[in-house]
Amino acid sequence: KAGVTQTPRYLIKTRGQQVTLSCSPISGHRSVSWYQQTPGQGLQFLFEYFSETQRNKGNFPGRFSGRQFSNSRSEMNVSTLELGDSALYLCASSWGATDTEAFFGQGTRLTVV
Amino acid sequence: AQSVAQPEDQVNVAEGNPLTVKCTYSVSGNPYLFWYVQYPNRGLQFLLKYITGDNLVKGSYGFEAEFNKSQTSFHLKKPSALVSDSALYFCAVRARSGNTPLVFGKGTRLSVIA
Repeated sequence: KAGVTQTPRYLIKTRGQQVTLSCSPISGHRSVSWYQQTPGQGLQFLFEYFSETQRNKGNFPGRFSGRQFSNSRSEMNVSTLELGDSALYLCASSWGATDTEAFFGQGTRLTVV
Repeated sequence: AQSVAQPEDQVNVAEGNPLTVKCTYSVSGNPYLFWYVQYPNRGLQFLLKYITGDNLVKGSYGFEAEFNKSQTSFHLKKPSALVSDSALYFCAVRARSGNTPLVFGKGTRLSVIA
């Protein structure tokens, strides 16, 4: 079956702009999580959604927001982009139970110039 | 708050030798523990998990990990390393109770030298 799909794969934006990233989970998965990966910080948790409700939120400023739709697809938005937002953004989906493993997409590489 | 420590940024091992990638965790109560691997320009791939039962967990590609509650550790091991095992490895923890997220360590880069 199809894996987790993230679009776009690469993105270049200018400081001050906003960006929306998309994630389509594996069919049947109800939970979607987002992570920011940078060389110095590893994977940092952004949000987790389950059945359209935000279940958890990481320690990121309010410029980072997300949502999940009724078909479990998810989007995250970053407004007023800063140079430090340049990173690989990873989406992961799972059935939703806390003991189940997450399946990751290939990520969206965001570069802010 | 839960956290994961991977004390080594880089591990080098010769092909054919055993490998160990270390992980310690901090969580309230009992944990669910996971290992993932990331190859260049790819997302993370699940390797194995500890949920309950036997402390020694076997996973994909010949990897295994041992849960040690007293030392709060979950080290990843493989008896004989392959060059193709060279990648970035992440340990992750999630608390059993409460709605807490899956939290990752900073990763350990494994280089297997032929």
